[in-house]
Parts: sequence; C-alpha cells; structure tokens
Amino acid sequence: DTAVSQTPKYLVTQMGNDKSIKCEQNLGHDTMYWYKQDSKKFLKIMFSYNNKELIINETVPNRFSPKSPDKAHLNLHINSLELGDSAVYFCASSQDSPLLAVSSYNEQFFGPGTRLTVL
Amino acid sequence: GESVGLHLPTLSVQEGDNSIINCAYSNSASDYFIWYKQESGKGPQFIIDIRSNMDKRQGQRVTVLLNKTVKHLSLQIAATQPGDSAVYFCAEGASNDYKLSFGAGTTVTVRA
Repeated sequence: DTAVSQTPKYLVTQMGNDKSIKCEQNLGHDTMYWYKQDSKKFLKIMFSYNNKELIINETVPNRFSPKSPDKAHLNLHINSLELGDSAVYFCASSQDSPLLAVSSYNEQFFGPGTRLTVL
Repeated sequence: GESVGLHLPTLSVQEGDNSIINCAYSNSASDYFIWYKQESGKGPQFIIDIRSNMDKRQGQRVTVLLNKTVKHLSLQIAATQPGDSAVYFCAEGASNDYKLSFGAGTTVTVRA
C-alpha cells in the first residue's frame, strides 16, 4: 500500500487556469507538508499542517492555497497559474514535526510527486 | 543565498568504493540535520538524521558526521552500489522553527 499518494502524477495546463493537486497519507501521521522542486532540483518547503492547522507558510504567492479537510489529507489549490509555477510538487508527512519529536528518527515520507507544466 | 549548500554538485564513484558527500550550512541556530536520497522520478527518501548534540551517527552502510565548529555535515556511504545512484540532499532545521531548509543536492553516479 502506498504510504503517501498524490494525484495527478502529471498535470499540463494553460497559463491562467486554476488547478488542484491532492495528497493523502495512510500512515496516521499528524503533520503534512507541500514542497516545490524546481528544474535544478532545488527543494523548498511551501506549507506545513499539523493536525489540520497551518504551522508553516513560506513566502508563497497567495495564489497557492492549501486545504486540509482532515489530518490524512492536504490538498494544494493553485489559482491563475503562471509559467514559473512549472515544477514538481511533493507532498510529505511525518508523525510529528521533526524538530519536536522525542525520537530523532522521525522521518518525513514523501509522495511520488506531481509534475506541473504550465504552457 | 541559501544557508545550506553542497561543495560538489556531482560525484562519480566506482562501485564498491566509499562515497563522501559534503554539505555546508551557515545558520548557527540549526540543531537538526537530515540526509535524503532522491532517485529519478521519485520523491526524496529519508536516509539518516543527526541532532547537534552528536557529532556522528551510523546507519546501515551510511554514516553522518557533523562538525559544528566549521558548520559542516557529511554523508559517508560504504561500499557504494549501483542502487546508490541518486541525488542526495542535506537539510537543516532548528528546534524553534518547524521549517527544514534543503541544500541544492549532489548527484551521485556509481560506475560499474
């Protein structure tokens, strides 16, 4: 069974459109994340939710809006897509924030990624 | 610039040899460091982590070394195998901040 799943795997769309990426984890984790990986493989955190509450919100344009209906899901909605939004988006989850975990072995499990291409 | 970086963007290593991947960081407040491996077309996978109260930690065929004096982190892979070919990222975080900052990544290629 897939621990962290994302849909869709590939998303090709026109500039100006609105799109959503869905993420689900079946690990029972409390914390979920969205990362953006650019063409140079640089990985940057965008958002993090702990028990459905937003705990990290990086300097991401407000066209990006995360939604966590329950702690197993963290979806990412993007309005008015721009060329620069083209990237691979990864969802991840962890039992807790790694920075607060008692045990130092607190993995972040990443999903397979969604490759977004804006034309 | 970013607070986490890697000295070399690529590393080519002969199968069976040991690999060393280096990482520099500049945030003195960072007290938690992680190494991730990302294979082509997949998400990053946790390898090993270390907290700042340690200077060495060992896993299965991997060792992470932390030198806080010079703000340097390294990942050693023993007896490198073809399956170790991937991009390796170091990441840092601080206890008073939920955020993890990732370095640019080193591409490791294992030669048969």
